Amino acid sequence: SAVISQKPSRDICQRGTSLTIQCQVDSQVTMMFWYRQQPGQSLTLIATANQGSEATYESGFVIDKFPISRPNLTFSTLTVSNMSPEDSSIYLCSGGLAGVGEQFFGPGTRLTVL
Amino acid sequence: AQSVTQLGSHVSVSEGALVLLRCNYSSSVPPYLFWYVQYPNQGLQLLLKYTTGATLVKGINGFEAEFKKSETSFHLTKPSAHMSDAAEYFCAVPLRRGANNLFFGTGTRLTVIP
Repeated sequence: SAVISQKPSRDICQRGTSLTIQCQVDSQVTMMFWYRQQPGQSLTLIATANQGSEATYESGFVIDKFPISRPNLTFSTLTVSNMSPEDSSIYLCSGGLAGVGEQFFGPGTRLTVL
Repeated sequence: AQSVTQLGSHVSVSEGALVLLRCNYSSSVPPYLFWYVQYPNQGLQLLLKYTTGATLVKGINGFEAEFKKSETSFHLTKPSAHMSDAAEYFCAVPLRRGANNLFFGTGTRLTVIP
């Protein structure tokens, strides 16, 4: 299994600003993902973080709004840009090995946008 | 694309009673299937997974699930509920066959009544 940490654990931000969330895995994983969990709802996949190349975004999510980096196998960042109150959510990072299927999740970053 | 449907957004059981959380999948071929649990203000933890082989899968904390192809179901059960089981439970399936990224069901909030 893998242990995944995220920073910050929570933040309160002003409209129009940006926040970068960091995700660190304690062992090498092939795949890393970013999910959004809006209040009282399930998880929605934002994108797959690809090492050394552009992330693969799901429908409804774009790079300009959610730029993602993954400089190595164990670290990734998600930036929420030009934030609005609708971006208030929990953002979760996950990691896993290709072909295995299961993923391990970080504790999440609880974002509130005023 | 593959998906799952969870019936019942809220389930309440008495302490010591049977827990049954329902999940149905849509896929033309037997998929990988997962159950995750989310305790308040925490990330997701894998309860159990079905990949291939035995259709009755045992997980952590006394939970188990049975893969039934004829019913396209993967319901989660526990013979005797504990207060500590109160949490949100998510059924999940890979977005696409062979993919690692997951589609999550809408979740079922389990309440355990003393």
